[in-house]
Amino acid sequence: EAQVTQNPRYLITVTGKKLTVTCSQNMNHEYMSWYRQDPGLGLRQIYYSMNVEVTDKGDVPEGYKVSRKEKRNFPLILESPSPNQTSLYFCASSLTSGTLNYGYTFGSGTRLTVV
Amino acid sequence: AQKVTQAQTEISVVEKEDVTLDCVYETRDTTYYLFWYKQPPSGELVFLIRRNSFDEQNEISGRYSWNFQKSTSSFNFTITASQVVDSAVYFCALRNDFNKFYFGSGTKLNVKP
Repeated sequence: EAQVTQNPRYLITVTGKKLTVTCSQNMNHEYMSWYRQDPGLGLRQIYYSMNVEVTDKGDVPEGYKVSRKEKRNFPLILESPSPNQTSLYFCASSLTSGTLNYGYTFGSGTRLTVV
Repeated sequence: AQKVTQAQTEISVVEKEDVTLDCVYETRDTTYYLFWYKQPPSGELVFLIRRNSFDEQNEISGRYSWNFQKSTSSFNFTITASQVVDSAVYFCALRNDFNKFYFGSGTKLNVKP
């Protein structure tokens, strides 16, 4: 089944404790991205990657890191989480071909609480 | 600048009513793509439809229909004979030719029995 797999689904952590949210897709998509969703703010892009070893900042990158060492994986790293990073996080992937521009396939989301 | 506006923050209807969710976008690109996603209470984001800027045909899929009008920069979504299962947050989004996505802030639809 074509899908984007995010783990964990739920995470409660303490301020300052490094964490990684994993994201893996099995569709050979070039493009992957991380979003956070907060009430009233919709979906805001954190980082994106156009392909292996190519990453770039989105609209709200502060406090986050990403890497793209393999095409299928795009982990989100919070080196020192803070309470303002409490949010619902989505990983998404898509093709980037020019003539047929597909939408995102989203992961199931990770609800992160930083206390 | 590119922007997607969903002016309706929350809409409540009674089951079997028709409801239209508005989406207005801004872009200077000639090639772009418009999407609608559904987020049910369980939280996942579900793709509903994609439209490219060269295709202004309306689309109907069961009880769902979409009206794309470039003249008014709108891509509205209508649910006919709404059902409780339609209760969700609906997001409109625009993707430009550089693969950048712009999401609206979402419209929460409450369908009451």
